[in-house]
Amino acid sequence: RKEVEQDPGPFNVPEGATVAFNCTYSNSASQSFFWYRQDCRKEPKLLMSVYSSGNEDGRFTAQLNRASQYISLLIRDSKLSDSATYLCVVRGAAGNKLTFGGGTRVLVKP
Amino acid sequence: ETGVTQTPRHLVMGMTNKKSLKCEQHLGHNAMYWYKQSAKKPLELMFVYNFKEQTENNSVPSRFSPECPNSSHLFLHLHTLQPEDSALYLCASSHGTGVSGANVLTFGAGSRLTVL
Repeated sequence: RKEVEQDPGPFNVPEGATVAFNCTYSNSASQSFFWYRQDCRKEPKLLMSVYSSGNEDGRFTAQLNRASQYISLLIRDSKLSDSATYLCVVRGAAGNKLTFGGGTRVLVKP
Repeated sequence: ETGVTQTPRHLVMGMTNKKSLKCEQHLGHNAMYWYKQSAKKPLELMFVYNFKEQTENNSVPSRFSPECPNSSHLFLHLHTLQPEDSALYLCASSHGTGVSGANVLTFGAGSRLTVL
């Protein structure tokens, strides 16, 4: 089983629609969780950290389910500019190792 | 422009060449990283430096040789590479390497390497 696993997609989303996808992690002792966004041929950029109680940043909502060992990202009212690959990142119990998932590609279409 | 600058942005080299990738961060961070991103694969951590000391070498072949002269600069020296080493090499920095929420990564734009 991969340490961090994501559905590669692509998720084809009509503009204005809602899309959600998950990321599963194998190490139950993982400490912290993040979503990064990577545009085509660009570097990854932090989208948001994921807190235990769940958190929201504008149209983006992240949730953590420790019991089932997954995090989720929901995008409401999708914009064309939301088209990107969304990377799930997990920090391990040792603290200094960040493991990236393979990314979920989202394509928002008019 | 991010606070992490990588040069060159593109590099083509033969298998017998020696070249170096450079990374500089202007964020006052103490930790710096090299990641490799190949097509269809997750980012792979290569090296971690914290306060210019190497704290992680993720079983990287010796044909990749990192150098961290200070907390702001990181190099990746390349020699006798193989075609399968062609990839995007991303440098990143963070405040530290612990579990604190402050220790998120800021990436540079990457150096796209092609080995012929």
